[in-house]
Amino acid sequence: GAVVSQHPSRVICKSGTSVKIECRSLDFQATTMFWYRQFPKKSLMLMATSNEGSKATYEQGVEKDKFLINHASLTLSTLTVTSAHPEDSSFYICSARDLSGSWSEQFFGPGTRLTVL
Amino acid sequence: GEDVEQSLFLSVREGDSSVINCTYTDSSSTYLYWYKQEPGAGLQLLTYIFSNMDMKQDQRLTVLLNKKDKHLSLRIADTQTGDSAIYFCADLRSSNTGKLIFGQGTTLQVKP
Repeated sequence: GAVVSQHPSRVICKSGTSVKIECRSLDFQATTMFWYRQFPKKSLMLMATSNEGSKATYEQGVEKDKFLINHASLTLSTLTVTSAHPEDSSFYICSARDLSGSWSEQFFGPGTRLTVL
Repeated sequence: GEDVEQSLFLSVREGDSSVINCTYTDSSSTYLYWYKQEPGAGLQLLTYIFSNMDMKQDQRLTVLLNKKDKHLSLRIADTQTGDSAIYFCADLRSSNTGKLIFGQGTTLQVKP
C-alpha cells in the first residue's frame, strides 16, 4: 500500500509554544488529508479535513485558530498547534486519501506523540 | 447519529478464532473498514467491505456484514500472538468527503 509519513514522531514542548507536525504522502498524490486526535485508549477523533489549495474544513468543537492546517502541495499537509497547553497533549494521526484506484482508501501515518509540559 | 460501537476487549488463546463485532447507525454507509493499531503506531488497513456485500474473505480474515441489522464482524482464524493489537472498525459515510467514523476500538489479547 501507499506510504504516509509524519514528522516528528514525538515532540515535547513547553506550554505556550507552537508545534508544527508534517504529514507527507510519499508515493502518491493526496488532494485530501485528514487530521485525527487520539486520546489514550480512545478512538480517533477527526479534527479537520485538509484540502490542497483551499481552506481546511474543521469538525465541530475544533478551534481553527488553535490548530492551523496548511495543505500547500499534493504531498504535504501541516498541523500547527499554537500556544500549546498540557491539555493539547495527545497522539495526532494524519491520513491521506488516494483516489487513483477504483475506490476510496485512506492511508494513515504513524502518528505524532505531543507532550506539552 | 454517527455512532459506531465496538466491544472494548477480547481475549483468546493462540490458535483459536477471534471474532470482533461492530455496530453502526447510518444506513447510507458506503464502505466499512477494519484497521489494526499496534502500540504507539498509526493505523494499518486490514480489510474493507462494500456495503452491498455480505461477506469478504482475505486469507485469515473474514468480514461479515449484516446490513439489515447494521452489524459488522471481523473473524481472525488461527489467531497468533502477533495479532494482539487494537482493532477499529470505521464507517465511510460519503466517498465524496472521505470522512471516516471510527468505533472505540477493541483490544485483542492473544494468550500463548
